[in-house]
Amino acid sequence: RKEVEQDPGPFNVPEGATVAFNCTYSNSASQSFFWYRQDCRKEPKLLMSVYSSGNEDGRFTAQLNRASQYISLLIRDSKLSDSATYLCVVNRRTNAGKSTFGDGTTLTVKP
Amino acid sequence: DAGVTQSPTHLIKTRGQQVTLRCSPKSGHDTVSWYQQALGQGPQFIFQYYEEEERQRGNFPDRFSGHQFPNYSSELNVNALLLGDSALYLCASSSDRDGYTFGSGTRLTVV
Repeated sequence: RKEVEQDPGPFNVPEGATVAFNCTYSNSASQSFFWYRQDCRKEPKLLMSVYSSGNEDGRFTAQLNRASQYISLLIRDSKLSDSATYLCVVNRRTNAGKSTFGDGTTLTVKP
Repeated sequence: DAGVTQSPTHLIKTRGQQVTLRCSPKSGHDTVSWYQQALGQGPQFIFQYYEEEERQRGNFPDRFSGHQFPNYSSELNVNALLLGDSALYLCASSSDRDGYTFGSGTRLTVV
């Protein structure tokens, strides 16, 4: 079993839709959590950190459930430009050290 | 722009050859991590360098080695290349106060 697991999708949604991705992690000692976005053939870029209290950045909301060891990302009012692969990332420390990436969930937003 | 710089951007090598990839970290970052990303998968942690020493290592064979220089730049060396080493190699720099910033990667093809 992989340390970080994501539904690979693809998720194909119309513009304006709300879409949610989940990610589970197996190491209960994990300390920090992130969502990254990766466009085709480009490097991953940090989308947002994920906190226990949940956090929101515009149309994006991230949640962490430590008891169930999963992380979620909600995208509201999807735009064409949201089409990308979304990577869930888990780190055993609050900074530095090895980050473990999921294999990503692919989202395609269609007109 | 003082982002992460990787070279070369693309490389084609023959099985059995050796390759060296280079990374210059973002200004102010002192830690360099290397990842391998195969097609359709998330980045896999190779190793991390801090203060010119390998601080952590993932599940990669000894054919993969690295180095960090006093100016924090880093090299990834791969010996005895296999076809399965074909991938996007990503360098990420970070510091205690700042999370990962990825370079745009080196795309290695082994034929």
